[in-house]
Amino acid sequence: DVKVTQSSRYLVKRTGEKVFLECVQDMDHENMFWYRQDPGLGLRLIYFSYDVKMKEKGDIPEGYSVSREKKERFSLILESASTNQTSMYLCASSFWGGTEAFFGQGTRLTVV
Amino acid sequence: RKEVEQDPGPFNVPEGATVAFNCTYSNSASQSFFWYRQDCRKEPKLLMSVYSSGNEDGRFTAQLNRASQYISLLIRDSKLSDSATYLCVVTLNNAGNMLTFGGGTRLMVKP
Repeated sequence: DVKVTQSSRYLVKRTGEKVFLECVQDMDHENMFWYRQDPGLGLRLIYFSYDVKMKEKGDIPEGYSVSREKKERFSLILESASTNQTSMYLCASSFWGGTEAFFGQGTRLTVV
Repeated sequence: RKEVEQDPGPFNVPEGATVAFNCTYSNSASQSFFWYRQDCRKEPKLLMSVYSSGNEDGRFTAQLNRASQYISLLIRDSKLSDSATYLCVVTLNNAGNMLTFGGGTRLMVKP
């Protein structure tokens, strides 16, 4: 059974903290993605990676960075969390050229 | 202008009704098209791919109109369990790694 696992379901952090969101997939997928989902705005791509150590900016990369040191793990980093980064964060993965992306269960991050 | 646009709804329909959603995309170079389903407080999951010739999966029919740059999803004989948000997804390359999501259309099927 395919599995994309995000490290936390709910997270509360303070403004200015450095925040790490972790995502692990067990399907040997090349592509991994980080999205955020906000009411009325849908899913917006933050970053994606198509290989180890490779990364590409999505639509809204400002305030975020990513790390992919191993194929199965893709980390999203908020260098200095701000209240406008309060959101639902979704990680996904897919094969290169794949037609289906598999999502993790999401992390609801609140920055206070 | 958003790259992928959907009517957010909600579409409120009775059980047994037929309902259709449309989605428009702005980039004519888009390669592949999908419908995903997202239940409340859950992650999105692939419902079906959309092929140029149109395709059907049980009660669900998806169609693509490249000339007008829209895709559609038709649900026949709606069930209560069809209540969800339906997300239109477009990819810009053949690597499958430029997925662009529409904002979603919310469907509520009532008894």
